[in-house]
This record gives sequence, structure tokens and C-alpha cells, in this order.
Amino acid sequence: DQQVKQNSPSLSVQEGRISILNCDYTNSMFDYFLWYKKYPAEGPTFLISISSIKDKNEDGRFTVFLNKSAKHLSLHIVPSQPGDSAVYFCAASASLTEAGTALIFGKGTTLSVSS
Amino acid sequence: DAGVIQSPRHEVTEMGQEVTLRCKPISGHDYLFWYRQTMMRGLELLIYFNNNVPIDDSGMPEDRFSAKMPNASFSTLKIQPSEPRDSAVYFCASSPRGGLARYEQYFGPGTRLTVT
Repeated sequence: DQQVKQNSPSLSVQEGRISILNCDYTNSMFDYFLWYKKYPAEGPTFLISISSIKDKNEDGRFTVFLNKSAKHLSLHIVPSQPGDSAVYFCAASASLTEAGTALIFGKGTTLSVSS
Repeated sequence: DAGVIQSPRHEVTEMGQEVTLRCKPISGHDYLFWYRQTMMRGLELLIYFNNNVPIDDSGMPEDRFSAKMPNASFSTLKIQPSEPRDSAVYFCASSPRGGLARYEQYFGPGTRLTVT
């Protein structure tokens, strides 16, 4: 059973428009959430994170929103650029548990930004 | 800093052979993680170490898999004997100690393993 789900395997967006990537989780113990970005033949790189005490975190063109009641988070990229084309992974952790350092990843969403 | 270094980048081996994957974490990082990525299961944690000590190996699929971290700058993941279903990309990652920084893991480029 997947504790972190990214239900959209792929997303296509035009350059300059908004990209919205979604992620759902099932474990109510998760309290820290991250997004990673992955280019082909490279490892994932950390992009942005959010703690469960917040509902929004912004870093430049990237904003993550958290809706705890719905167990849902989303990553907004505005404006989207062709260089944003990559696989985006959502990850979660239960920081207060024994295994708190472990991250549970979703299966990823492939974003394609066309110019 | 050179980042996390993994070797080899590609490995092709025959079923039944022993495979050893290597990782050098970022200097000063206390945590080291081994992940496996497949189309079916996505990115899954196999094992992680804190200060060279294995903390959680519940993700290791079976006894054929073993991991060691003899010192702070080197770790190995061994598969013996290898099977075709072990074909995947294996990532090593490291993170610094302290607070939420330990979640911001730095990944290596991965080792693509093919077992025929």
C-alpha cells in the first residue's frame, strides 16, 4: 500500500503557464514534506519542503501548499520554463517517530514544459 | 564539494553473480541512505546509516542484499546471488545531522544494474 501517492504520471504545460503537481498521503503521522526534482541520468535533487505547522512555503517560482485535513499537498511552478521539464517526486516523513529520518517517496510525475 | 559519488555507473551481470555497488557520501554528512528505483515500485528506501551504524534495514528485500559502512566516507551495497528482478537503478544519498536538514538528502547519480 502506497503511503505517498502521485496519481498523475505525467503533466504537460506551456512555457509561462502555471504547473501544478499533486500529492496525497495516507499516514497521519507524516509531518514534514519535500519535493525533489530529477533529470534523466541524474539523482534526485531537493527542491522545496514544508512542515505540517505551515500551509504554504514559497521559494522563488516554486510554492508548496499543504492541506492537512485532506492529506494533500501540491507544488506550483509559476511561470513554468522548459528547464523545469523533469520528474518531480513528493516525499514525506514522520519526524517524531523512530524511523523519522526515513523518507517515503511517491512514484513521481513527469513534467514537460513546451516552449 | 564533489557531491555523492557512486560507482560503477552501469553494471551488467549474469544471474547468480555477486554485485557490489559503492558509495562515497559528502564529507561531514552523518546519514547515508541506499534507495532502489524501479518502474513498478518507484523510489524505495532499502537501508540507512547514522554515523556508520545501520538504523533501519526493513526495506532490504531479502537476505541476498547486504550493506556495510566501514567508515564515514564509504559504503557498499552487495547482492549475492543476483537475480533478473534486481535490475533497477540504485541510488546512494547522504544528509547532514541536525534538525530538519537531515531530510534534505543529496543523491548520487545512481548505478544502473542489469542482471541477465
